[in-house]
Amino acid sequence: NAGVTQTPKFQVLKTGQSMTLQCAQDMNHNSMYWYRQDPGMGLRLIYYSASEGTTDKGEVPNGYNVSRLNKREFSLRLESAAPSQTSVYFCASNSRDARTQPQHFGDGTRLSIL
Amino acid sequence: GEDVEQSLFLSVREGDSSVINCTYTDSSSTYLYWYKQEPGAGLQLLTYIFSNMDMKQDQRLTVLLNKKDKHLSLRIADTQTGDSAIYFCAERSYNTDKLIFGTGTRLQVFP
Repeated sequence: NAGVTQTPKFQVLKTGQSMTLQCAQDMNHNSMYWYRQDPGMGLRLIYYSASEGTTDKGEVPNGYNVSRLNKREFSLRLESAAPSQTSVYFCASNSRDARTQPQHFGDGTRLSIL
Repeated sequence: GEDVEQSLFLSVREGDSSVINCTYTDSSSTYLYWYKQEPGAGLQLLTYIFSNMDMKQDQRLTVLLNKKDKHLSLRIADTQTGDSAIYFCAERSYNTDKLIFGTGTRLQVFP
């Protein structure tokens, strides 16, 4: 069971470069999420998608864009990377009955911006 | 706004019980969750509790909820070195499907 798969696992970028983080889930979940994790700050929601074709801003959306390509895939794009975006990024998904179904997480993408 | 707070560190001796605490502000929270994160990995759901419950027990894990004080705790009995990880509590409010996470508590278990 693959669950939630994120690629790449590690990436180093220079300031100003662009990059897309990929996420795919094979659990037929409706909702997908992108978080960033920074020391002492827990997980903060960047964007989420309640269903195919819809996306909404989370707590910290500035500097990011997302695409819900289909039900399985939800990508996160950094158009012009900044050092403040150095973080660990997690993708998660869950089913429509979100109140009883927990979010399933990928293993994360560790991104460093120089 | 919604806010979830946890202490950052907890250190316990192997075999002792660990108690990780969490406070939240959203009174409309429906479900509260505990996740475990091991080094280099994503978050793994440990357990969750519905807001109309006071306690939930699952093997070595006991969750206590004081809804009046908006206080949630996770007790791990007979703590083992494999329990060393970061533990996150999270709340889901009634009106959204979004989770609000605490800062995480790093549990260190020493022999």
